[in-house]
Amino acid sequence: EAGVVQSPRYKIIEKKQPVAFWCNPISGHNTLYWYRQNLGQGPELLIRYENEEAVDDSQLPKDRFSAERLKGVDSTLKIQPAELGDSAVYLCASSLSNQPQHFGDGTRLSIL
Amino acid sequence: RKEVEQDPGPFNVPEGATVAFNCTYSNSASQSFFWYRQDCRKEPKLLMSVYSSGNEDGRFTAQLNRASQYISLLIRDSKLSDSATYLCVVKGSGYALNFGKGTSLLVTP
Repeated sequence: EAGVVQSPRYKIIEKKQPVAFWCNPISGHNTLYWYRQNLGQGPELLIRYENEEAVDDSQLPKDRFSAERLKGVDSTLKIQPAELGDSAVYLCASSLSNQPQHFGDGTRLSIL
Repeated sequence: RKEVEQDPGPFNVPEGATVAFNCTYSNSASQSFFWYRQDCRKEPKLLMSVYSSGNEDGRFTAQLNRASQYISLLIRDSKLSDSATYLCVVKGSGYALNFGKGTSLLVTP
């Protein structure tokens, strides 16, 4: 079974530039999560989707972050404009409803 | 105060040693508890769930004390391959996982 696939693996951009991350969840998993993990910290939830609906986005900084999961499968997370403090690893996870979550390798974002 | 607090670490132990990690959580309504393992530059992976009765998986033993809101992980006969960051994770009635900062373990020859 293929795991959660994320791309790109690494991204380096200058501040104020836009950036987007892509996630393909495990086939059949209806729930998709985006987490952010800062250096030396555990992951923190940004947004959760049930199929194509964002059901928990309370921790998503909505002034610059946006996400979508148009067909209830793949998802993209966008930051525009990026700030220095956005440097982190962005992890996508998926699950079948409230079953254990499986994580992708993450996208490591560096802002110059 | 963070919802999940862990030993700061890092723990440096020789091969074969026994090492224990502790974790406390603040939300008494928490329902599920886990230990995840995260290797350097890799994603977190579920190591084991933690049950009130305590549970064991090979060299790993996890325990939960709901009254004290305390979770532990014991690793016996440490191997070099056990070197990683161990994340204590707590879940409420919802879907979100609340992670601790993680405790770094380095097992040396």
